[in-house]
Amino acid sequence: DAKTTQPTSMDCAEGRAANLPCNHSTISGNEYVYWYRQIHSQGPQYIIHGLKNNETNEMASLIITEDRKSSTLILPHATLRDTAVYYCIVRPHSGTYKYIFGTGTRLKVLA
Amino acid sequence: KAGVTQTPRYLIKTRGQQVTLSCSPISGHRSVSWYQQTPGQGLQFLFEYFSETQRNKGNFPGRFSGRQFSNSRSEMNVSTLELGDSALYLCASSSGTDPEETQYFGPGTRLLVL
Repeated sequence: DAKTTQPTSMDCAEGRAANLPCNHSTISGNEYVYWYRQIHSQGPQYIIHGLKNNETNEMASLIITEDRKSSTLILPHATLRDTAVYYCIVRPHSGTYKYIFGTGTRLKVLA
Repeated sequence: KAGVTQTPRYLIKTRGQQVTLSCSPISGHRSVSWYQQTPGQGLQFLFEYFSETQRNKGNFPGRFSGRQFSNSRSEMNVSTLELGDSALYLCASSSGTDPEETQYFGPGTRLLVL
């Protein structure tokens, strides 16, 4: 299973973009990158996922490098409610639902 | 559509006892996965059930077991509880048939073993 590496913590000013990096240098061609976040020990919440193209939805944008060895989650206008632990997960396209969570990045949005 | 529900939300047990946790997936979902979250080990995969069959298993001792019913509801059981089993137990559901589909997590059951 491909592993991910994320910074332990980051701060971001409210209203500014939060850019959360993830390294997945051992990713293979059929593996997707998923991002989830967890607020106050609630259940993780799905944010976005991608294979090789950049993706955008109402919550965030996902930028995957051309070699797919790293990605960045972008929250365009961070709010206090975005304070959470953000997890980057690499998941095989084969459909296994066995998510391997790393330690995640604790994002703190500052007023 | 109702989300994933887990019961109970909080539980206190003593060492040596056993416990059963329940998870009701989103309507129509046939895959249920279980995870354990502790401060020391983070989020770890326990097992996944699809159509009443265990399809994936994590690296946990045999004291951790699960099952799935014909209505896709799932239970997990931990026997002979140890202090280290204190954790947040999360379940997640999905259709189980779409390789790209995401999983939706429930709120979790917080278990404290004394």
